[in-house]
Amino acid sequence: EVQLVETGGGLVQPGRSLKLSCVASGFTFNNYWMSWTRQAPGKGLEWVASITNSGGSTYYPDSVKGRFTISRDNAQNTLYLQMNSLRSEDTATYYCTRMTPGPNWFAYWGQGTLVTVSS
Amino acid sequence: EIVLTQSPTTIAASPGEKVTITCRASSSVSYMYWYQQKPGASPKPWIYDTSKLASGVPNRFSGSGSGTSYSLTINTMETEDAATYYCQQWSSTPPTFGSGTKLEIK
Repeated sequence: EVQLVETGGGLVQPGRSLKLSCVASGFTFNNYWMSWTRQAPGKGLEWVASITNSGGSTYYPDSVKGRFTISRDNAQNTLYLQMNSLRSEDTATYYCTRMTPGPNWFAYWGQGTLVTVSS
Repeated sequence: EIVLTQSPTTIAASPGEKVTITCRASSSVSYMYWYQQKPGASPKPWIYDTSKLASGVPNRFSGSGSGTSYSLTINTMETEDAATYYCQQWSSTPPTFGSGTKLEIK
């Protein structure tokens, strides 16, 4: 059974940093692209970052480019999201997601971790 | 960036009723993907490659469409289908989601 367990969320002040982790199990981690997707309270879904299965390439939307960094440790089956210069608009539940080969869609989702950016 | 516009924003349906949710793309996409989300829960993959049902999805659900117009249909509404449904594309980067359609029980 595929499991994705996120940790690291919490309350952080604007301009500060936070690092999220996602431990994966139930599949061969280094075979799949992985992503982070977020959902602001009461709002829709927004893609945040993706990383290839080897970790050699990463992708971001303009809204987080230069502030967020996605990375992975294939030996530890763990995905990370380093978030710097956080803004109030980054307040959201962050989901770790596993992609299908393609990649085309977000086939598996974790339970999410809430990040609140507020002074 | 491809913008996905879902309609309606909210819809109420009675049990047994047929329901259709539409997702229109600002440019042509090859496939559409759908997710179901209930309050307090993570989104669940629901329909992939436009018309294929994800594991465990009841066969009263179907997906169709091509180009810039796609839809999710529930043949006979059941109370457990009340949720918010999101469409998503990754024919071009960045992947984008629709703003969601909230389906309620009448």
